[in-house]
Amino acid sequence: QVQLQESGPGLVKPSVTLSLTCVVSGVPISRTNWWWSWVRQTPEKGLEWIGETFHDGRTNYNPSLKNRITISVDTSKNLFSLKVSDVTAADTAIYYCARLPPLAGTVEAFDLWGQGTTVIVSS
Amino acid sequence: SSELIQDPAVSVALKQTVRITCQGDSLRMYYASWYQQKPGQAPVLVLYGNNNRPSGIPDRFSGSNSGDTSSLTITGAQAEDEADYYCHSRDSSGHFMRVFGGGTKLTVL
Repeated sequence: QVQLQESGPGLVKPSVTLSLTCVVSGVPISRTNWWWSWVRQTPEKGLEWIGETFHDGRTNYNPSLKNRITISVDTSKNLFSLKVSDVTAADTAIYYCARLPPLAGTVEAFDLWGQGTTVIVSS
Repeated sequence: SSELIQDPAVSVALKQTVRITCQGDSLRMYYASWYQQKPGQAPVLVLYGNNNRPSGIPDRFSGSNSGDTSSLTITGAQAEDEADYYCHSRDSSGHFMRVFGGGTKLTVL
């Protein structure tokens, strides 16, 4: 059974770089053809797709966040990570990692989610 | 357009049928998927593609598509269906992007 588990600092100060990890258990990332995504949720904006990575390191990013985010994968540790630079209060959110399996070309769905980790940006 | 529009709130009487809609230009090209989220929990996929339900999702959940609108229908709503529901699709504006609707809070009366 595949499971996702996010971890992060909880509280960060403005202007720093936020780092989050998502540990994948139950399957080697290197043997999958799933996209591994980050999604965040705020009361103001709801769910927002941040970006994703494939096991070979390919990435796709939300254009509105592209300048500040980096997503990477570490197949040796079976995890993928998110870095958000120069954070502000607007980055306060619940951050989820999620799996996107390969479906028919016009179909996509996040079929597995982690439990989420709360990040608060405050001085 | 990268926007998916949902009604903020919908209510339904117990055991009645309710339809939750999601509107957006991208839905003319891509199917929507639907997620249920209860307080304090992560979203759960309940419907995707052309009316496909993941394992474990009751068959009272169904979907349909027409033009720029996708719909999630709950036939015979149960108390445990009270939750927030979000739609999701691929953006069709030319930028590679995955987008979510603003969510619909379903109240079961």
